Amino acid sequence: DAGVIQSPRHEVTEMGQEVTLRCKPISGHDYLFWYRQTMMRGLELLIYFNNNVPIDDSGMPEDRFSAKMPNASFSTLKIQPSEPRDSAVYFCASSLTGGAGNEQFFGPGTRLTVL
Amino acid sequence: GNSVTQMEGPVTLSEEAFLTINCTYTATGYPSLFWYVQYPGEGLQLLLKATKADDKGSNKGFEATYRKETTSFHLEKGSVQVSDSAVYFCALRGGSNYKLTFGKGTLLTVNP
Repeated sequence: DAGVIQSPRHEVTEMGQEVTLRCKPISGHDYLFWYRQTMMRGLELLIYFNNNVPIDDSGMPEDRFSAKMPNASFSTLKIQPSEPRDSAVYFCASSLTGGAGNEQFFGPGTRLTVL
Repeated sequence: GNSVTQMEGPVTLSEEAFLTINCTYTATGYPSLFWYVQYPGEGLQLLLKATKADDKGSNKGFEATYRKETTSFHLEKGSVQVSDSAVYFCALRGGSNYKLTFGKGTLLTVNP
């Protein structure tokens, strides 16, 4: 299994530009999570999906952020317009349902730099 | 709400030293507890877990015991190696909620 796949691995953009981050979860996993990691705030959950439906988006910082999951094998996190304070590493993770002890499998992350 | 508090470090040890990273939690009900490890430039990987009180999770020489009476899940290893250098995250998941709540992470550096 290829694991969780994220693209791009690195993104450098200028303030005001639209940024789209992509994630392919592990086949058969029905939960997908988007996290943001910064030195100041640590690891924060932004949003998660179950069977392609957003369940909890309370961690999405503001309206500039949006996430979609059009099918079971693809999700996007979009920032429009981007700001320097959005610079962070964004992780996607997926898991199987069926128990509170189920492991979340993380992708390698996308390092976003907004100039 | 749920929360996790872990020693922030950084922690610097010599090879073969004993490691303890403290983790305490606040949660309603009976959460599952996890330790994740993040090597430089990589995503997080599950290191070990425990799903009920008094369970001991173990992997790669690391251990942690779910102590409900002290709401703790401290990570230990008897003899660390240079390859253990990484950031370690304590996390919990409460009940039917599939969200993971993470601590801030502890950077461990092991010198030869």
